[in-house]
Amino acid sequence: EVKLVESGGGLVQPGRSLKLSCAASGFSFNDYWMGWVRQAPGKGLEWIGEINQDSSTINYTPSLKDKFTISRDNAQNTLYLQMSKLGSEDTAIYYCARERVSFDYWGQGVMVTVSS
Amino acid sequence: DIQMTQSPASLSASLGETVTIECRASEDIYNGLAWYQQKPGKSPQLLIYNANSLHTGVPSRFSGSGSGTQYSLKINSLQSEDVASYFCQQYYNYPTFGGGTKLELK
Repeated sequence: EVKLVESGGGLVQPGRSLKLSCAASGFSFNDYWMGWVRQAPGKGLEWIGEINQDSSTINYTPSLKDKFTISRDNAQNTLYLQMSKLGSEDTAIYYCARERVSFDYWGQGVMVTVSS
Repeated sequence: DIQMTQSPASLSASLGETVTIECRASEDIYNGLAWYQQKPGKSPQLLIYNANSLHTGVPSRFSGSGSGTQYSLKINSLQSEDVASYFCQQYYNYPTFGGGTKLELK
């Protein structure tokens, strides 16, 4: 069974940084592109970015390119999202997802709240 | 960015009814389109990819069609468990999502 479990969310002050993790199991992690998607409360879905199997290609949505960094550790079957200079607009549920043409499996999501 | 315009934003339908949700891309996306279902408090689940291919385990009452810039999701014989929000997403270019359709029972 494909399983993706995000962690590392919580309450963070504006301007601070936070790193999310996504633990993958049930499939060969190093065979897939992986991505991050977020959803602000009551809003739609926003693609953050993606990373290929060997981390040689990483793509971001332009508006987040200078704030967020995606990485992965294939030995640990884990995907990461490093977020910096956080603002209230970054308050959202953050999902990791496996990419196979589209996003075929998603984690349960982790809430990040940016507030003083 | 490719903009995805989804309609309607909300929809009320009766059990057993057929429902159609539309998605229009700002340019040709060559069938690079997926549909997702999201129930309250849950993560999105893939229904359709490549515009018309059913994801594993998805009931056959769901179907996708379209080409070019116009795509649609059809739900035949609406069931109570289909109450959810639905999102389209293009992946011809960097992924972008439609605004969503909230489906409720009448």
